[in-house]
Amino acid sequence: EIVLTQSPTTMAASPGEKVTLTCRASSSVSYMHWYQQRSGTSPKLWIYETSKLASGVPNRFSGSGSGTSYSLTINSMETEDAATYYCQQGSSYPDTFGAGTKLELK
Amino acid sequence: QVTLKESGPGMLQPSKTLSLTCSFSGFSLSTSGMVVSWIRQPSGKSLEWLAAIDWDGDKYYNPSLKSRLTVSKDTSNTQVFLKITSVDIADTATYYCARRLEGDYFDYWGQGVMVTVSS
Repeated sequence: EIVLTQSPTTMAASPGEKVTLTCRASSSVSYMHWYQQRSGTSPKLWIYETSKLASGVPNRFSGSGSGTSYSLTINSMETEDAATYYCQQGSSYPDTFGAGTKLELK
Repeated sequence: QVTLKESGPGMLQPSKTLSLTCSFSGFSLSTSGMVVSWIRQPSGKSLEWLAAIDWDGDKYYNPSLKSRLTVSKDTSNTQVFLKITSVDIADTATYYCARRLEGDYFDYWGQGVMVTVSS
């Protein structure tokens, strides 16, 4: 199965700061998808097919990458962005998720 | 409006069989391309895909758990079920069902049901 490695594991960002989360796949995948999960709630689709924002996601978020290296970027950190972000690939069976990056507010 | 909701026993003893139900609305599993998946998350940990069933009745399982999993759906295509046999403490987790489209991502998730395996 494809292993997804996310970095960093945890980070803190100040309001207005630019944030970049990365996800590396053990083999090439066609797309990467990202989910946001706030404490005590279910994951929400956040970015799909590498760079498309899910409905309602602010445009300060963006996604990019190809092959084995992908990233999620927040142009300007806001309070509501504090959450855990997971990457997921469905190009190769079985679907797999990364371990997550916990983003905290500094 | 697409909604999914999981239900289950809450707690069960080791070696028993866990039975979960995903009830959904706003779409039909009989529609071409539709897939409902089961995903679990132990407390404080990441997500693990378990199984899926598609519109055509084809079933997919995580190879690491395949021998213990059975996924099925009802004839009205509004519920999906998951059975996990011989549970142990490591199966303690929140279990989610989610809709997966042909784009291979999960666009709608249920609220999750917490399952504790304990003697």
